[in-house]
Amino acid sequence: DQQVKQNSPSLSVQEGRISILNCDYTNSMFDYFLWYKKYPAEGPTFLISISSIKDKNEDGRFTVFLNKSAKHLSLHIVPSQPGDSAVYFCAAIPKSGSARQLTFGSGTQLTVLP
Amino acid sequence: GAGVSQSPRYKVAKRGQDVALRCDPISGHVSLFWYQQALGQGPEFLTYFQNEAQLDKSGLPSDRFFAERPEGSVSTLKIQRTQQEDSAVYLCASSSGPSGNTIYFGEGSWLTVV
Repeated sequence: DQQVKQNSPSLSVQEGRISILNCDYTNSMFDYFLWYKKYPAEGPTFLISISSIKDKNEDGRFTVFLNKSAKHLSLHIVPSQPGDSAVYFCAAIPKSGSARQLTFGSGTQLTVLP
Repeated sequence: GAGVSQSPRYKVAKRGQDVALRCDPISGHVSLFWYQQALGQGPEFLTYFQNEAQLDKSGLPSDRFFAERPEGSVSTLKIQRTQQEDSAVYLCASSSGPSGNTIYFGEGSWLTVV
């Protein structure tokens, strides 16, 4: 049973527009959420995170929104750039957990068209 | 180099063969993680070391999988009597602490069992 779900395997967006990547989770014990970005033939790299005490965290062009009641989070990229084309993984850690308890979603391939 | 280094990058093994995958973490990182990533899926936790101690091996799929980190730096993941279902990317990650956003992934070892 997947505890972290990314239901869209792929997303295409025009350069300059907003990219919205979605993630749903089922485990109510999760309280820290992260997004990782992965280019082909490279390992995932940390992008942005959010704690359950917040509903928004912003870092430059990247903003993560958390809706705890809906068990849903989303990553917004504005404006999207061709270099943002990659696979984006949502991940979660339970309360009092640590990195060893990271649970990943299956990823969304973002393609930003020039 | 400054990042997590894994070798070999690519390995083709015949079914039944033993394989060993090596991970060189970032210097000074006490935490080391192994993940397995099947095609189209997110990384799944295999095992965790703090220095030389293997504190969690709950994700190892069978007793054919064995990991060690004898001196608290380099780690080896060994798979005995490989099966086709072992085909995956094996990702190593290290961190200086337990928080997920400080995990640094290597590029992965791509294992194909034929």
